[in-house]
Amino acid sequence: AQTVTQSQPEMSVQEAETVTLSCTYDTSENNYYLFWYKQPPSRQMILVIRQEAYKQQNATENRFSVNFQKAAKSFSLKISDSQLGDTAMYFCAFLRNTGGFKTIFGAGTRLFVKA
Amino acid sequence: NAGVTQTPKFQVLKTGQSMTLQCAQDMNHEYMSWYRQDPGMGLRLIHYSVGAGITDQGEVPNGYNVSRSTTEDFPLRLLSAAPSQTSVYFCASSYILESSYNEQFFGPGTRLTVL
Repeated sequence: AQTVTQSQPEMSVQEAETVTLSCTYDTSENNYYLFWYKQPPSRQMILVIRQEAYKQQNATENRFSVNFQKAAKSFSLKISDSQLGDTAMYFCAFLRNTGGFKTIFGAGTRLFVKA
Repeated sequence: NAGVTQTPKFQVLKTGQSMTLQCAQDMNHEYMSWYRQDPGMGLRLIHYSVGAGITDQGEVPNGYNVSRSTTEDFPLRLLSAAPSQTSVYFCASSYILESSYNEQFFGPGTRLTVL
């Protein structure tokens, strides 16, 4: 069974600085998808970024980028130029490609951006 | 478009009571799912559906029933509420594409307390 581990329950960063959130996963699959979701205090879940395992190039979305290391089964999220609005819970998630309709979420990392 | 809607937003039940959490989407998504979110555990999949008349179990299905009579609606039923079912419940939907490379759209959540 697939598992997703986020080893940092809480992190903080100064406004305008860069922070990296860690995520590791365990799977025997070769093709799959990885996601980072953001959950601000409003509780709404928002997709931040996604990565297809067969693509070697790391995904980027404006200030958000990932470092995808397939062999190490690592999928970290880098937030550049942190803003107060980035304060939220961040969840890493895994979805396998073959017959995969069960997204597995990590326990989350609570990020505080300080002014 | 309203996206994914959930009702109610808050609910308090007594042990043994039954109730239905409502979920609807207006994006014509084939895939719909229910998650529960508990502190320190991320989101866990309860049940999911890949189309009208088709449902399947997720990680934590015990104590919950679902049905999918239309594409738009996917209600979650608690047959006999227990304190262990105190949680925040999220409904989500997405398209099913060949690659399963889909963003899930989440509802705003229902906070359920069972006394």
